[in-house]
Amino acid sequence: DARVTQTPRHKVTEMGQEVTMRCQPILGHNTVFWYRQTMMQGLELLAYFRNRAPLDDSGMPKDRFSAEMPDATLATLKIQPSEPRDSAVYFCASGFWLAGGWNEQFFGPGTRLTVL
Amino acid sequence: QKEVEQNSGPLSVPEGAIASLNCTYSDRGSQSFFWYRQYSGKSPELIMSIYSNGDKEDGRFTAQLNKASQYVSLLIRDSQPSDSATYLCAVNYNFGNEKLTFGTGTRLTIIP
Repeated sequence: DARVTQTPRHKVTEMGQEVTMRCQPILGHNTVFWYRQTMMQGLELLAYFRNRAPLDDSGMPKDRFSAEMPDATLATLKIQPSEPRDSAVYFCASGFWLAGGWNEQFFGPGTRLTVL
Repeated sequence: QKEVEQNSGPLSVPEGAIASLNCTYSDRGSQSFFWYRQYSGKSPELIMSIYSNGDKEDGRFTAQLNKASQYVSLLIRDSQPSDSATYLCAVNYNFGNEKLTFGTGTRLTIIP
């Protein structure tokens, strides 16, 4: 049963610390997405990659957030320095996109981040 | 700004009845439509996708799409307590673009 995996599942840190979240997409999927979910804002797209190339990071505060995909099996989201307002659940999702195809995305279990 | 609107609920439905969830979207050019179910504390789970006008059935779930009226709905027949969750509507606005825009979700409670 292929699944998206994320680590860590929970992270508590102090303001100003660096946070790194990792995602392993489903093998064979060529698109990877990072979302943030809060009660107030709902599910927001932060960034996404196609074939490991970043296509859109307009949803991300670029002064503190960075997203990379060093290889096909690993995507990372870093926050440096972290702030209390970054407290949220961060989801990674992956999908297989073909030109003219559709866009089903499958979500990982999420990383629940608390910044004190 | 492209928007996806859902009634936040909560929507309460007796067990065994039909639950009807609705979603409207702002861009007529929208191509693909998805329903995700999210249990409390869990990640969104894809339950239905629909791409053309009409109905699409999968077990107890039926998705309905009306592009002229810009709405998509999800019907759950024979509702079960296990259907209690938040249902997220998602729309893909560009057939060549993987981005989804999500609604804020409708919280559904099935009353035994």
